Amino acid sequence: DGGITQSPKYLFRKEGQNVTLSCEQNLNHDAMYWYRQDPGQGLRLIYYSQIVNDFQKGDIAEGYSVSREKKESFPLTVTSAQKNPTAFYLCASSPSGSSYNEQFFGPGTRLTVL
Amino acid sequence: GNSVTQMEGPVTLSEEAFLTINCTYTATGYPSLFWYVQYPGEGLQLLLKATKADDKGSNKGFEATYRKETTSFHLEKGSVQVSDSAVYFCALPEEDTGRRALTFGSGTRLQVQP
Repeated sequence: DGGITQSPKYLFRKEGQNVTLSCEQNLNHDAMYWYRQDPGQGLRLIYYSQIVNDFQKGDIAEGYSVSREKKESFPLTVTSAQKNPTAFYLCASSPSGSSYNEQFFGPGTRLTVL
Repeated sequence: GNSVTQMEGPVTLSEEAFLTINCTYTATGYPSLFWYVQYPGEGLQLLLKATKADDKGSNKGFEATYRKETTSFHLEKGSVQVSDSAVYFCALPEEDTGRRALTFGSGTRLQVQP
């Protein structure tokens, strides 16, 4: 079955640590996205990538970094510069040929700062 | 740019009640419109979509009609079940940003009681 996987499901970070969230897709989609979700709020775009080896900042990129070395993978690193990282992180992908902008989401990673 | 406004929750209903969750949008032209559902602790799943004005999207007993006259895309279900308890997000593509990302409403939590 095609889909998007994220790992781990739960992640705990100590102050000053960098942590990396994994996102893998086997849908053969060109575009991938990272969103942050806070309680009772909608989704905010952190980073996006339209094609391998290229990525762009979204609306709240400060304190985060990404890489896109493979089409299937788009890991997100939450650095110590992110002052309030506790949130639910969602990875999504989208076929570039679609004119409808439909996005497919992974199950999410819940990050908690201890 | 494009934006979407959803009714605030939580919406609490008894099983078999009729559901309406309001969504209105602001957009240039007639973009695709989406409803996503998020079950507790999970990622977002596409529930239904409409790709042009006057289209009706439907899935799992849920329906929404793309009404350009009222710029609305209200979600309805004739008889809700406990298993429909979730958060529902209305979404549409960003306008001309080149990011091919979605703009989401703040979400409406639905609680269905037996």
